[in-house]
Amino acid sequence: AQRVTQPEKLLSVFKGAPVELKCNYSYSGSPELFWYVQYSRQRLQLLLRHISRESIKGFTADLNKGETSFHLKKPFAQEEDSAMYYCALKAPDWGKFQFGAGTQVVVTP
Amino acid sequence: NAGVTQTPKFQVLKTGQSMTLQCAQDMNHNSMYWYRQDPGMGLRLIYYSASEGTTDKGEVPNGYNVSRLNKREFSLRLESAAPSQTSVYFCASSEGPVGNTEAFFGQGTRLTVV
Repeated sequence: AQRVTQPEKLLSVFKGAPVELKCNYSYSGSPELFWYVQYSRQRLQLLLRHISRESIKGFTADLNKGETSFHLKKPFAQEEDSAMYYCALKAPDWGKFQFGAGTQVVVTP
Repeated sequence: NAGVTQTPKFQVLKTGQSMTLQCAQDMNHNSMYWYRQDPGMGLRLIYYSASEGTTDKGEVPNGYNVSRLNKREFSLRLESAAPSQTSVYFCASSEGPVGNTEAFFGQGTRLTVV
């Protein structure tokens, strides 16, 4: 069965410090992986997906198939990055999105 | 372009009452989803519709029913609400079950069952 693990419930970082959100998954095939962000009481929105290999709002994420990880990184956190972040997996043969438990990021000045 | 629209935004129910959460998307998407969001649990899939005319149970379907009314609309019904169903409910849609297609989310329905 597919599983997405986000080990940190809360990450508190200072403005300007690097931030890394961990995501590990279990899936035997080649999944599609996403990071979603939810700002306070708003809808979830896509931050980035592994296949596009792009940087959004300074965030990057690299898929490591050997370690089955898709960690999200940003070198210099900003206050506006404070939000809930969800890692999600979509299995090509399954069609559904499996989400992790989420990591709350708090960036303090 | 409205995207995914859910109604209502807020609802308070008494235990045992029933209600239907409505969801509509205007992106011509095939797949639609209902999730519930609870602290520490992330988003859990309640029901899923891969395409018009099909529905499938997700991780936590007990106490819920769904209807894929047409391609645009996917409703979630609570027949007899329980306090354990207090949650934030999100509807989502995507182009289809196959391919690297993202999910688009509605703004959520905050439901409290007392």
